[in-house]
Amino acid sequence: DAKTTQPPSMDCAEGRAANLPCNHSTISGNEYVYWYRQIHSQGPQYIIHGLKNNETNEMASLIITEDRKSSTLILPHATLRDTAVYYCIVRPGSNDYKLSFGAGTTVTVRA
Amino acid sequence: GAVVSQHPSWVICKSGTSVKIECRSLDFQATTMFWYRQFPKQSLMLMATSNEGSKATYEQGVEKDKFLINHASLTLSTLTVTSAHPEDSSFYICSARNVRTVYEQYFGPGTRLTVT
Repeated sequence: DAKTTQPPSMDCAEGRAANLPCNHSTISGNEYVYWYRQIHSQGPQYIIHGLKNNETNEMASLIITEDRKSSTLILPHATLRDTAVYYCIVRPGSNDYKLSFGAGTTVTVRA
Repeated sequence: GAVVSQHPSWVICKSGTSVKIECRSLDFQATTMFWYRQFPKQSLMLMATSNEGSKATYEQGVEKDKFLINHASLTLSTLTVTSAHPEDSSFYICSARNVRTVYEQYFGPGTRLTVT
């Protein structure tokens, strides 16, 4: 399985964009990059996923570098409710849907 | 859409007893469900993959006779912790893969198990 590396923690200001980096230098050509977040004592919440192209949805944007060795999750206007642990996950293979969670990044949004 | 529920949300049981946790996909069919365990201040660890109508596949180090998984329908999977011990106290979370939206898994809210 390709592994990911994320900073353990980061702070951001309410109302500002939050840029969460993730390194996945050993990613394979058919592996997707997924982002989930977990608010304290809740189940993880799906945010976004991508393969090669940048993706955007109502929650966030995902920017994947051309060599696919890293990506950035962007929360455009962080709110206090975005305080959570954010997990960047590379999903193995097309028929294996298991998700391997690393330590993630603890994001604290401050007023 | 894509709601997964778990029941109970929390449970306290005595050492040596068994506890059953239910995971339901409320508005979609899930051929595959996953069970995770999360200890305080740690990340989620996958315990097993549950496929409807077949035996679960357990991750290395997870005792299949202790953590019984049943996936009898496309909307329900159960995890039974048998002969629970205090070290089994944890946050148990299930997820379900929607057969129609291949790429996404949806997680339940989790079940907090405390064994006294």
